[in-house]
Amino acid sequence: GESVGLHLPTLSVQEGDNSIINCAYSNSASDYFIWYKQESGKGPQFIIDIRSNMDKRQGQRVTVLLNKTVKHLSLQIAATQPGDSAVYFCAENREGGSYIPTFGRGTSLIVHP
Amino acid sequence: DADVTQTPRNRITKTGKRIMLECSQTKGHDRMYWYRQDPGLGLQLIYYSFDVKDINKGEISDGYSVSRQAQAKFSLSLESAIPNQTALYFCATSDLLSETQYFGPGTRLLVL
Repeated sequence: GESVGLHLPTLSVQEGDNSIINCAYSNSASDYFIWYKQESGKGPQFIIDIRSNMDKRQGQRVTVLLNKTVKHLSLQIAATQPGDSAVYFCAENREGGSYIPTFGRGTSLIVHP
Repeated sequence: DADVTQTPRNRITKTGKRIMLECSQTKGHDRMYWYRQDPGLGLQLIYYSFDVKDINKGEISDGYSVSRQAQAKFSLSLESAIPNQTALYFCATSDLLSETQYFGPGTRLLVL
């Protein structure tokens, strides 16, 4: 079946390290991917997105990489800070779909000072 | 994000009671969504609406109903609450031509 999943449910890093959060998807028809950050007690917040015609997209301290060959998506956070501690979700939208994203289970990022 | 607000933020109710969760947005978006989040799990879509006259069931609509009173307002009702509806509920909005969703702060619901 179609699914969006995460390899690591919890990731612990030291402040200042780079973090990499992974996401696997199985729907080859997906053409748009979004990363959301959810801090404790808050709703998910958009971080960065990428379309299937791109392999890489950079934001401020964040980079999303897309490998369509193996249906893999990753979020890289440079110089991780304590404020980056949150649950990170990837979501996918199917090409020609109804703009309803499918969310993964989420990865909890813990940043130790 | 104050652009999407939810009321109440926390609610405790008893089994069998009817309750309503409300969502308002000032983003001017046409599309609105209700999600449920259980601990350690992702977001499950309950209902969504692409405009005022449009209502669609999501993957877990049983036991829930919605009303789109205006472009800016989308409410979720639990007709007869049961304990396994205890969860965190999120409202979200999106623009007509964008798949990016903007979430409210959530409503924490406890059904005893």
